[in-house]
Amino acid sequence: ETGVTQSPTHLIKTRGQQVTLRCSSQSGHNTVSWYQQALGQGPQFIFQYYREEENGRGNFPPRFSGLQFPNYSSELNVNALELDDSALYLCASSLEGRGHAYEQYFGPGTRLTVT
Amino acid sequence: SQKIEQNSEALNIQEGKTATLTCNYTNYSPAYLQWYRQDPGRGPVFLLLIRENEKEKRKERLKVTFDTTLKQSLFHITASQPADSATYLCALDTGTYKYIFGTGTRLKVLA
Repeated sequence: ETGVTQSPTHLIKTRGQQVTLRCSSQSGHNTVSWYQQALGQGPQFIFQYYREEENGRGNFPPRFSGLQFPNYSSELNVNALELDDSALYLCASSLEGRGHAYEQYFGPGTRLTVT
Repeated sequence: SQKIEQNSEALNIQEGKTATLTCNYTNYSPAYLQWYRQDPGRGPVFLLLIRENEKEKRKERLKVTFDTTLKQSLFHITASQPADSATYLCALDTGTYKYIFGTGTRLKVLA
């Protein structure tokens, strides 16, 4: 186990609704990245938060937004849900700093189903 | 655009043999490359990281090579065991604090 937790485990929402997913990072880690993983695909980078600021973003529309809190936990918010948003949402924590490459520690994921 | 290719077909090998998985990439020169293991319904688990100036990295039965000329990484599991059966993902660093993942290769080790 990595020490990264996510909630909820599973979620079913209706198209057009909004959802908030939560992630607690591993102790000592200051960076959280969020990924979307469709069935049979690799994780797709959504965005990364470092010390409460967005540090990079993938090709996802603005209805995907996030927050990082002072304790480095994080939220992913998705507005106006679409059927294609159904996926496994993963958060990964790491320790960022100048000149280093960091392994990422993933949580178990939240399975979102949009109907 | 940046592209990562991993064998989309599942790889079946006999227990005790060496499994070799391939990760090819185009249109990018990553400084780092990582390999992860993912079991069904679970998050990926970090295995190894290799830098562009390292040709090879080892950890127990695992070995990763990184050829920046060929734009390829090979991931080897020696003396494979049924417990090694999983999907293996490679991920490239883009230099902007984000990683691009391949689609993964599903490995099945037959007893």
